[in-house]
Amino acid sequence: DIQMTQSPSSLSASVGDRVTITCRASQSISRYLNWYQQKPGKAPKLLIYSTSSLQTGVPPRFSGSGSGTDFTLTISTLQPEDFATYYCQQSYDTLYTFGQGTKLEIK
Amino acid sequence: QVQLRESGPGLVKPSETLSLTCTVSGGSMTVDHWTWIRQPPGKGLEWCGYVYNTGTTNYNPSLKGRVSISVDTSKNQFSLKLSSVTSADTAVYYCARYQMVSGVFDVWGQGTLVGVSS
Repeated sequence: DIQMTQSPSSLSASVGDRVTITCRASQSISRYLNWYQQKPGKAPKLLIYSTSSLQTGVPPRFSGSGSGTDFTLTISTLQPEDFATYYCQQSYDTLYTFGQGTKLEIK
Repeated sequence: QVQLRESGPGLVKPSETLSLTCTVSGGSMTVDHWTWIRQPPGKGLEWCGYVYNTGTTNYNPSLKGRVSISVDTSKNQFSLKLSSVTSADTAVYYCARYQMVSGVFDVWGQGTLVGVSS
């Protein structure tokens, strides 16, 4: 199966900061990479699909990039509602796998 | 729009079978993969498997043959069975739609916590 590794595992930042989360796949997955946001006690919510396409309703301060094995999620100007855990997920292989998550906390 | 809701017991005894049902409303089950994903307390997400409307399935090998997912399109439901459970199977279980066109889990249920304890 394809292993997905996110870094960092946790991150402290302030409102207004620019943050970047990295996701690395154990083999090339082309651009079959999605990002989800999860808040405590809630189901994950799709943010970005196919590396860089924003899901309907997601603010443009979220962006994604990458290809092959290395991908990034960037939040350009952190808002209070962005503090959550973020997961990457590959859909290249039908044994779908997620990264371990990056918890974004308020500094 | 499509909505999903999980139902089933919140507590299962060790070595028994965990059974959950997901009810789909607001849409058809004739396309896409219908999936189960779980999340142990404080941990990450693990895809368990999916079923297609034809009954075709695909499972995570990590569950070592203990998992079975079935579909009943007449009731707009799909179900998860996980046998020989241990405490390691304690988790929030989500049902979700895997939209094949975009390759994403785009609709999720609210999740249901299932504990394994005697």
